[in-house]
Amino acid sequence: DGGITQSPKYLFRKEGQNVTLSCEQNLNHDAMYWYRQDPGQGLRLIYYSQIVNDFQKGDIAEGYSVSREKKESFPLTVTSAQKNPTAFYLCASSTPRTSNTHSNQPQHFGDGTRLSIL
Amino acid sequence: AQKITQTQPGMFVQEKEAVTLDCTYDTSDPSYGLFWYKQPSSGEMIFLIYQGSYDQQNATEGRYSLNFQKARKSANLVISASQLGDSAMYFCATNMNTGFQKLVFGTGTRLLVSP
Repeated sequence: DGGITQSPKYLFRKEGQNVTLSCEQNLNHDAMYWYRQDPGQGLRLIYYSQIVNDFQKGDIAEGYSVSREKKESFPLTVTSAQKNPTAFYLCASSTPRTSNTHSNQPQHFGDGTRLSIL
Repeated sequence: AQKITQTQPGMFVQEKEAVTLDCTYDTSDPSYGLFWYKQPSSGEMIFLIYQGSYDQQNATEGRYSLNFQKARKSANLVISASQLGDSAMYFCATNMNTGFQKLVFGTGTRLLVSP
């Protein structure tokens, strides 16, 4: 079945450590996104990528980095510069909106990774 | 700037009854989409329904329908015949009028369906 796979489901980070969250999709989507969700809040955009080898910062990119070397993969690294990394991280993908239509394609999400500090 | 407001932190409904979850938005874009997602306790985000700003009719998907009032900038989700499995967080979101789907989410409404 087509979908988005995030791993690991749970992740623990030590002080000063970088950790990488995996996101793989087999939906043949061009666009991929990383969101952060804190308790009782909605999702906030960290980074997004519209095409391979290209990505842009979202609203809360500080302390995070990404790469997009393959269409299927969009890993997120939480660096030691991110002082409050404990959160639920969700990866999503979508087809890009076409220019000749007002149709908007929904984003499809993975099951998420819960990151905590040791 | 865009903003999504969900004013109901929690809602209760009895099984088999209908419930309306409120969502208002503020955007200066003439072309936009409105999305509703369901988030069960397990955490995944499940897409439910979409409404485009130019769509003439309210969107429906099974038991879900969207009460879209463009002049009032509201896009309320109506769930008919509630089921116990509908208990979850529900998020309203909107996108920018660009070539990609940057979504801005509301803070969500927690729905509890009782037997």
